[in-house]
Amino acid sequence: AQSVSQHNHHVILSEAASLELGCNYSYGGTVNLFWYVQYPGQHLQLLLKYFSGDPLVKGIKGFEAEFIKSKFSFNLRKPSVQWSDTAEYFCAVKPLNTGGFKTIFGAGTRLFVKA
Amino acid sequence: GAGVSQSPSNKVTEKGKDVELRCDPISGHTALYWYRQSLGQGLEFLIYFQGNSAPDKSGLPSDRFSAERTGGSVSTLTIQRTQQEDSAVYLCASSYRLAGDTQYFGPGTRLTVL
Repeated sequence: AQSVSQHNHHVILSEAASLELGCNYSYGGTVNLFWYVQYPGQHLQLLLKYFSGDPLVKGIKGFEAEFIKSKFSFNLRKPSVQWSDTAEYFCAVKPLNTGGFKTIFGAGTRLFVKA
Repeated sequence: GAGVSQSPSNKVTEKGKDVELRCDPISGHTALYWYRQSLGQGLEFLIYFQGNSAPDKSGLPSDRFSAERTGGSVSTLTIQRTQQEDSAVYLCASSYRLAGDTQYFGPGTRLTVL
């Protein structure tokens, strides 16, 4: 079965530290890839997405993610985190050409940034 | 409307009762999704709609769960004979199309089964 693994469930960083959240998926075909974020008390919202083209994708608030097809990975990065980045981050994968449109989410990573 | 809305925001029910959860998608969005988020878990896909049709019901946990969508807009998720393990946040999302579009999420319904 298709699955998405997020390596870290909880991450604690100090402001200005660099961030990398891992995401790996299990599906050998074409995929759409997403990172969603849920800030405290807010809805889930899109951070960035990859459909095709340049595997380095830039999103909102200085986040970026790199799709490495050979590693089935889509890791999220930010060079310098801020206290306002405290949130839960979800990686999601939509396998294409499967006859369906299910989106599979990872378990999420809770990021806490210390001021 | 401004975004996806869900009602009720919170629902507390007794084991064995039926509950209905409602989702109003963004106007014009043809695709609608239901997810379940249990404590400490990721989002578990339940079902999606393209228009009023639900081609893939494989994510529904049991035959106690059903969903419908009418008029290509509002959707209702019904859980019959609720069990304590049904306690979770039920999230609805919509997108303009099924293929490759961003999903816009609602605030969720927190269901507690006593």
